[in-house]
Amino acid sequence: DARVTQTPRHKVTEMGQEVTMRCQPILGHNTVFWYRQTMMQGLELLAYFRNRAPLDDSGMPKDRFSAEMPDATLATLKIQPSEPRDSAVYFCASGLSGADEQYFGPGTRLTVT
Amino acid sequence: AQSVTQLDSHVSVSEGTPVLLRCNYSSSYSPSLFWYVQHPNKGLQLLLKYTSAATLVKGINGFEAEFKKSETSFHLTKPSAHMSDAAEYFCVVSSLTSGTYKYIFGTGTRLKVLA
Repeated sequence: DARVTQTPRHKVTEMGQEVTMRCQPILGHNTVFWYRQTMMQGLELLAYFRNRAPLDDSGMPKDRFSAEMPDATLATLKIQPSEPRDSAVYFCASGLSGADEQYFGPGTRLTVT
Repeated sequence: AQSVTQLDSHVSVSEGTPVLLRCNYSSSYSPSLFWYVQHPNKGLQLLLKYTSAATLVKGINGFEAEFKKSETSFHLTKPSAHMSDAAEYFCVVSSLTSGTYKYIFGTGTRLKVLA
């Protein structure tokens, strides 16, 4: 049963620290998405990769967030420095195209104190 | 511009009664539409999708949705609610914007099932 995996599942850190979240997309999927979910804003698209190249990262605060795909089996989302307002659940999703269904990971719950 | 509106933020039904979760969309071309479910502390799971084939789409766990172009609606239904259906449901339209596809999420409908 192929699924998207994310690590860590939970992260508590202090303001100013660097946070790295990792995602392993489903093997063979060529599109990867990073989302952030909060009660206030709902689901927000942060970044979108196809064939490891970033297609859209307009939803991401550029000064502190960065997203990369070092290889086809790993996507990373980094926050440096972290702030309390970054507290949220971060989801990774993968798919075969941007138009088709996306498969979501279980999420990383980030708490910044 | 494409958009999606979920008309109810909360819906409560009794176990064994029908479920109706409403979704309207706006799209300048033939859209792909999806319903996802999110159980507490879980990721989103695809329930069903419409991609211009049959207008009545059957999904998992007894859910189905009907694409009505004239009404720009894609409502989700289930004949008989089960306690395990309690979750948040998202209607999604896939939008082609500046040459790339994006998911446009509705704001979600939280379904409560009463015993």
